[in-house]
Amino acid sequence: NAGVTQTPKFQVLKTGQSMTLQCAQDMNHNSMYWYRQDPGMGLRLIYYSASEGTTDKGEVPNGYNVSRLNKREFSLRLESAAPSQTSVYFCASSEVWGIGELFFGEGSRLTVL
Amino acid sequence: ILNVEQSPQSLHVQEGDSTNFTCGFPSSNFYALHWYRWETAKSPEALFVMTLNGDEKKKGRISATLNTKEGYSYLYIKGSQPEDSATYLCAFISASNYQLIWGAGTKLIIKP
Repeated sequence: NAGVTQTPKFQVLKTGQSMTLQCAQDMNHNSMYWYRQDPGMGLRLIYYSASEGTTDKGEVPNGYNVSRLNKREFSLRLESAAPSQTSVYFCASSEVWGIGELFFGEGSRLTVL
Repeated sequence: ILNVEQSPQSLHVQEGDSTNFTCGFPSSNFYALHWYRWETAKSPEALFVMTLNGDEKKKGRISATLNTKEGYSYLYIKGSQPEDSATYLCAFISASNYQLIWGAGTKLIIKP
């Protein structure tokens, strides 16, 4: 049972470099999310996709872009990484937007030097 | 700005004791409240999704109550065990935009 799979698990970038975090879910969920988690703070929503074909900004979208490639996959791109984007990133999915419980990937630890 | 407050921030409990902690959220525009358990080096896992005022949900030794009129939810753990050590997160969903707003969590440490 794969659930939500995200890659890579660890990445070190230099300021200004770009990278894409990949996320895939095999539960046929409609909604997918990207969060970042920083010490002492709650999970903060970067972008979400309520259903296939739609994406919307969350609480902290600046410096990120997303693509809902199909129902399974939702990627997060950092076009020009900054040290402030050093964080742990979690992808999640839910069957139903809003009420449905979230299923999380294992997280991706990103360090920007 | 919508705020979700969890207290206490951390809690040390003796194995076998029962404990509870709080999630406070806006009392207007309520849609749903989620509780998650987050063990170290793992990812958050859902415990409960609560939608109705007065809801009580139970899963084994863990239970939760919901008061939407006053804006709080309690999570109870009966007879704490070492495997209950984790951070417990709550998330409020507002009916105005259906986005989850997360609390910072309560870190529970069970002492053997």
